[in-house]
Amino acid sequence: DAKTTQPNSMESNEEEPVHLPCNHSTISGTDYIHWYRQLPSQGPEYVIHGLTSNVNNRMASLAIAEDRKSSTLILHRATLRDAAVYYCILRDPYSGNTPLVFGKGTRLSVIA
Amino acid sequence: GAVVSQHPSWVICKSGTSVKIECRSLDFQATTMFWYRQFPKQSLMLMATSNEGSKATYEQGVEKDKFLINHASLTLSTLTVTSAHPEDSSFYICSARDKEDRVGSDSPLHFGNGTRLTVT
Repeated sequence: DAKTTQPNSMESNEEEPVHLPCNHSTISGTDYIHWYRQLPSQGPEYVIHGLTSNVNNRMASLAIAEDRKSSTLILHRATLRDAAVYYCILRDPYSGNTPLVFGKGTRLSVIA
Repeated sequence: GAVVSQHPSWVICKSGTSVKIECRSLDFQATTMFWYRQFPKQSLMLMATSNEGSKATYEQGVEKDKFLINHASLTLSTLTVTSAHPEDSSFYICSARDKEDRVGSDSPLHFGNGTRLTVT
């Protein structure tokens, strides 16, 4: 899987929007962009994923650059429960039964 | 949604003993399960890939005789840490892929809530 680059940490005020960036300049044409998050002392949970078009779900939005070399996870109103490590991961669905490879992610702190 | 259950959620054992961790897919069948290990303040590191009915594939540097993986059914994989030592203390996490997922479907992976192992 291609490598992604994320800031080590970010901070947000409660109820403010949060934009978590991810660079993936070596992304291939078939790589999907996945976002997972890990709350303290828990396993990762799926947030959102996309290929080319922007995606929205009940948890977040994913904005994908036109050249697909970067993407941004958007939490529209951060809550204290959103404090977690957010991982941006590329995965090629045609690569067979491969695991997710986790980088260091971005640790999001939410201030009340 | 799909649920992966890990048991126990935490365990404390004495050095030299063995510990078994279970990973179950509750509402789907998983032909493949993945085992990760996570040390404090670090990211998840893949330990092994477990396929139902066959031997697990271990990542480089992971001792297969120390971390025994059994995937005897489509809903259960177990990781046994044998002769545990304090340096094996870590957070162990499993994840599973639904056997209905087809190549190209790119469905999310489902993760358990982890098992915190402390070896004294």
